[in-house]
Amino acid sequence: EVLLVQSGAEVKKPGESLRISCKGSGYSFTSYWISWVRQMPGKGLEWMGRVDPSDSYANYSPSFQGHVTMSADKSISTAYLQWSSLKASDTAMYYCARSVGGPGSYYFDSWGQGTLVTVSS
Amino acid sequence: EIVLTQSPGTLSLSPGERATLSCRASQSVSSIYLAWYQQKLGQAPRLLIYGASSRATGIPDRFSGSGSGTDFTLTISRLEPEDFAVYYCQQYVRSPWTFGQGTKVEIK
Repeated sequence: EVLLVQSGAEVKKPGESLRISCKGSGYSFTSYWISWVRQMPGKGLEWMGRVDPSDSYANYSPSFQGHVTMSADKSISTAYLQWSSLKASDTAMYYCARSVGGPGSYYFDSWGQGTLVTVSS
Repeated sequence: EIVLTQSPGTLSLSPGERATLSCRASQSVSSIYLAWYQQKLGQAPRLLIYGASSRATGIPDRFSGSGSGTDFTLTISRLEPEDFAVYYCQQYVRSPWTFGQGTKVEIK
């Protein structure tokens, strides 16, 4: 069974840094890109970008380029999403998802349970 | 970027009825680069349909997808109590991959 297990909820202050994680199991972790999807409170889904777990190469949606960094550690089958300086507008649920399809065209067949990030002073 | 517009915003139906959800793209996404997801309250999204009409593993056959070009439809032939949720379409013909704003299927 494919499983993506995300790290727990976080409460941070504006300006703080944060890294959340997504651990894959039940499949070859390096064979599939991991995407990150944001869902702001009461809103829809937004694709943020994707990371190749085999070499940590990432590409980003223009809306998120420069605001977040995606990486992966294949030795522990874990992908990461990080911020260097959080803003209140980063408050959202963040999902990781296994990206399938290709080349260059991907949908998401397995999802993590989500990590709720709350940024408040 | 490709914009997906879903309609209606909310669909109020009774169990056993047929649900028809629409997704319209601002540019052609071909006949295969369209997926549908279901999201229940407090849960992660779940893949229902990919390639516009192929059901994902374990998805009941009351769910079907159709369409091509810019107009796509998700049909639920007979609503079961567990089908009341929000449904999103997603295009993956061109990055950035985008989602529609969602259609909520609620109990009438």
